Amino acid sequence: AQSVTQLDSHVSVSEGTPVLLRCNYSSSYSPSLFWYVQHPNKGLQLLLKYTSAATLVKGINGFEAEFKKSETSFHLTKPSAHMSDAAEYFCVVSDQTGGSYIPTFGRGTSLIVHP
Amino acid sequence: GAGVSQSPSNKVTEKGKDVELRCDPISGHTALYWYRQSLGQGLEFLIYFQGNSAPDKSGLPSDRFSAERTGGSVSTLTIQRTQQEDSAVYLCASSLASYNEQFFGPGTRLTVL
Repeated sequence: AQSVTQLDSHVSVSEGTPVLLRCNYSSSYSPSLFWYVQHPNKGLQLLLKYTSAATLVKGINGFEAEFKKSETSFHLTKPSAHMSDAAEYFCVVSDQTGGSYIPTFGRGTSLIVHP
Repeated sequence: GAGVSQSPSNKVTEKGKDVELRCDPISGHTALYWYRQSLGQGLEFLIYFQGNSAPDKSGLPSDRFSAERTGGSVSTLTIQRTQQEDSAVYLCASSLASYNEQFFGPGTRLTVL
């Protein structure tokens, strides 16, 4: 069975300061891990993905995430927040549970960026 | 190129009516997913189609919900005898294969009065 926990429902930062959105997962197989972003009244967009290649994954808009198997974590970071980063972020795990890759979404973290 | 499209973008219906929601996936994508997103909530998996295999319906909340995918392309999600708790945004996503990243449509906002 697979599961994913986003440790913070809301994260508030000031513009120009670092961003850390935390995600822990559980998987019986070698998982694929994703981060998606959803801006208000917009569809979900892929930020980055991990699929057993490099453990440090770089995505769009300056975001990156590090896969740490020993900690079962896949935290999302960005060195400097922009106002345009304010959105909902979803961590997703997908493995071959039961023979199909049905992804499991976290409950989401709302990123608030203050001027 | 064209992304995933969904129609209608908004649907208001009365309790007890049936509704049909449509999803046009990206051409060539074999996997198609339906999700439901309630206000302030994460995504709830509903149903998954992969190629010509039987769909995985394990996420459908009741037998009022059904979906089909014709010709491996367009999919329709049908909700019969709608209830107020069915009000949500219904999202469709497709992927090249089941282990690839998903591409999401803009969603259909369903309001049941």
